[in-house]
Amino acid sequence: QLQLQESGPGLVKPSETLSLTCTVSGGSISSSSYYWGWIRQPPGKGLEWIGSIYYSGSTYYNPSLKSRVTISVDTSKNQFSLKLSSVTAADTAVYYCARLDSTQAKAFDIWGQGTMVTVSS
Amino acid sequence: AIRMTQSPSSLSASTGDRVTITCRASQGISSYLAWYQQKPGKAPKLLIYAASTLQSGVPSRFSGSGSGTDFTLTISCLQSEDFATYYCQQYYSYPLITFGQGTRLEIK
Repeated sequence: QLQLQESGPGLVKPSETLSLTCTVSGGSISSSSYYWGWIRQPPGKGLEWIGSIYYSGSTYYNPSLKSRVTISVDTSKNQFSLKLSSVTAADTAVYYCARLDSTQAKAFDIWGQGTMVTVSS
Repeated sequence: AIRMTQSPSSLSASTGDRVTITCRASQGISSYLAWYQQKPGKAPKLLIYAASTLQSGVPSRFSGSGSGTDFTLTISCLQSEDFATYYCQQYYSYPLITFGQGTRLEIK
């Protein structure tokens, strides 16, 4: 059974860079059938897609965050990562990693449990 | 960018009711729409994709319809476990993704 697990600091200072890693277990991140994505949810608010990556390294970002976001993949570790620079309090959110089916559903069919990141000094 | 607008933002209903949630796209997206359910403190769960195809394991009381710009999610007979927040998501511009703002379904 494929599982995803987010990891990283729960507290980041304003103007610094938020860094999170998603570890994929029970399956290969190198499957041609999937992209891998990051989604966030500020407290009490809705879902916001941050970006997605293919195992080859091709990336797609939300235009509203593109200037601050970098998503990378490490196939040897079965992990993909998120970096969000110059964070402010508005970046406080639960961050989810998820698998994006690229064949049939073209939706996020498996999600991590999410990790809360607070931006505060 | 394609914008997704859900209505209503919140909805009160009783167990056994039939409820419908609407999602409207800012431009035509064919049938490239998914629906998710999210319960408090949990990750979203995929319910429906391709506007009307039920994800494996999802109860048949959930159904989706629509194409172009207007879509609906219907729950035919509400169960207690269905009270949650529901999100639509377009993938017409795949792999660029947009979510709706959510509809909170509460117990009356």
